[in-house]
Amino acid sequence: GAGVSQSPSNKVTEKGKDVELRCDPISGHTALYWYRQSLGQGLEFLIYFQGNSAPDKSGLPSDRFSAERTGGSVSTLTIQRTQQEDSAVYLCASTTRTVYEQYFGPGTRLTVT
Amino acid sequence: QKEVEQNSGPLSVPEGAIASLNCTYSDRGSQSFFWYRQYSGKSPELIMSIYSNGDKEDGRFTAQLNKASQYVSLLIRDSQPSDSATYLCAVIHQGGKLIFGQGTELSVKP
Repeated sequence: GAGVSQSPSNKVTEKGKDVELRCDPISGHTALYWYRQSLGQGLEFLIYFQGNSAPDKSGLPSDRFSAERTGGSVSTLTIQRTQQEDSAVYLCASTTRTVYEQYFGPGTRLTVT
Repeated sequence: QKEVEQNSGPLSVPEGAIASLNCTYSDRGSQSFFWYRQYSGKSPELIMSIYSNGDKEDGRFTAQLNKASQYVSLLIRDSQPSDSATYLCAVIHQGGKLIFGQGTELSVKP
């Protein structure tokens, strides 16, 4: 496919469990972003990967959140010991190095019960 | 002061009218500006980008940028009910991070 893909599309987990969310960016896009969107809210920046540079983690809300990007392509966002306030839609976007127009995946809806 | 500010709305316009959406930003060094449309339950979709002062037109959409006033706007001509969505303004911040406004909800009434 040509677009950004994310999996799973929906995830329901119990409080305290760990979850992994996956993002597969558009081929050739060197930059990858993770955002969080709570119900009725705007987009909250989480983390940004650009090529081989150190990621910008300034938006991660706590040390329970981490992300990695393997081989400059697929990224995984991990949330440890999930809390109910982590319930949100997690969006991934990618862009080329020279143009900052971001293209979003369909998102993962996370529900922590 | 928020880095990117938008009126949350809702903005209601009749079908066929011009919808005007506004955005201000705080970082005077910002160079790249974007408008995204987000339908309920969907992810944001890029509709316009603008990098230079002035107007940029694409079909029924016109983006306007005034860097001196730190102001970006989006005009939608001949508004249609299918334009009803939340419109997000986004600005490239230092280091390439895209900062979004809270979005303006637009409702186009038939």
